[in-house]
Amino acid sequence: NAGVTQTPKFQVLKTGQSMTLQCAQDMNHEYMSWYRQDPGMGLRLIHYSVGAGITDQGEVPNGYNVSRSTTEDFPLRLLSAAPSQTSVYFCASTKQGFRSEAFFGQGTRLTVV
Amino acid sequence: DAKTTQPPSMDCAEGRAANLPCNHSTISGNEYVYWYRQIHSQGPQYIIHGLKNNETNEMASLIITEDRKSSTLILPHATLRDTAVYYCIVRESTNAGKSTFGDGTTLTVKP
Repeated sequence: NAGVTQTPKFQVLKTGQSMTLQCAQDMNHEYMSWYRQDPGMGLRLIHYSVGAGITDQGEVPNGYNVSRSTTEDFPLRLLSAAPSQTSVYFCASTKQGFRSEAFFGQGTRLTVV
Repeated sequence: DAKTTQPPSMDCAEGRAANLPCNHSTISGNEYVYWYRQIHSQGPQYIIHGLKNNETNEMASLIITEDRKSSTLILPHATLRDTAVYYCIVRESTNAGKSTFGDGTTLTVKP
């Protein structure tokens, strides 16, 4: 099992460009989430999904869109990149149930210039 | 989800027990306490979780107070590789995707 796979690992964007961060999991987990982590800070929840076709906003959703057309994939779209979106982005998946832990990808380091 | 409070940093001598506290005074009855750690900006890694009983696994022990308003993660014999940021979160059973992380505790294990 690959677990949670994020691509790309690194990306540099110019202000105003759009792009999609990919996240895929092969564990058949119902829940998936996107977080961002700024230098020296903790993780902040951007968007999350409780299953295919269902998404909801987290703490910092502005400037990002998500969709969940399959159980496996949960892409994060930056609509018009801004320098404030320079961060490390983590995707996580969790199995439904109260005793399950989150599995995280290795992150995408995004720089917006 | 309830908010947690952790000290920003702690030091521990190699080979000694590391005791990391977490305050979650507003925790509700159906919320579990989870602990994760993050090493060198990698993706966070699950350590342990519990509801109200103390828990132990191969990595750590979790002690939850009787009123459930605080907990302590114990690394019994800390090594240099345990240097990391440790996050304590509380989570409802029905909101597995909505975990809220604070800033965590940076644990530095010193030789």
